[in-house]
Amino acid sequence: DVKVTQSSRYLVKRTGEKVFLECVQDMDHENMFWYRQDPGLGLRLIYFSYDVKMKEKGDIPEGYSVSREKKERFSLILESASTNQTSMYLCATRPPWRPQHFGDGTRLSIL
Amino acid sequence: GQQVMQIPQYQHVQEGEDFTTYCNSSTTLSNIQWYKQRPGGHPVFLIQLVKSGEVKKQKRLTFQFGEAKKNSSLHITATQTTDVGTYFCAGPGDSSYKLIFGSGTRLLVRP
Repeated sequence: DVKVTQSSRYLVKRTGEKVFLECVQDMDHENMFWYRQDPGLGLRLIYFSYDVKMKEKGDIPEGYSVSREKKERFSLILESASTNQTSMYLCATRPPWRPQHFGDGTRLSIL
Repeated sequence: GQQVMQIPQYQHVQEGEDFTTYCNSSTTLSNIQWYKQRPGGHPVFLIQLVKSGEVKKQKRLTFQFGEAKKNSSLHITATQTTDVGTYFCAGPGDSSYKLIFGSGTRLLVRP
């Protein structure tokens, strides 16, 4: 079974802080994704990566950056956290043309 | 840009009643996937449909892919409390890496 591990289930940070969300997968997949989930808006893609050091913007990249230094790890960075970034963040991995496997999610609150 | 719309946003049913959620894409899809997210959990892949007019069943769940491959539906017969959750459809985006998710239908079941 594919395992996607997110470093925290719950996180509380303050406005202006730099926030790191970490995601690790154990299946040697090239593709990794970061989504945010908000009520009524479904899953919105923030960034994805199709190889080490390769990244592409998703639909809502503003205020975020990512890092993929190793194949198994994909980090989402909030450079200067704001209250409108309070959300559920989901990491996923996906082999080409196959279903996505999600981590358990990180519920991030920015105060 | 490409959009995947899903209705209804919420459905509250009595246990034993049927439930249907509908998914519509602004473009023709090569395939469509369905996911279920239990409360407090992460989306889990249910099924993928590929062929025009395809119908697949998983016990009480029936999935259909429209003839024009622009719409899909998920029908649950005789709902149970274990069916509670949010159901998402997802179609391929503008690259082979991406999935575009619908906004989801949240199903609540009264025992």
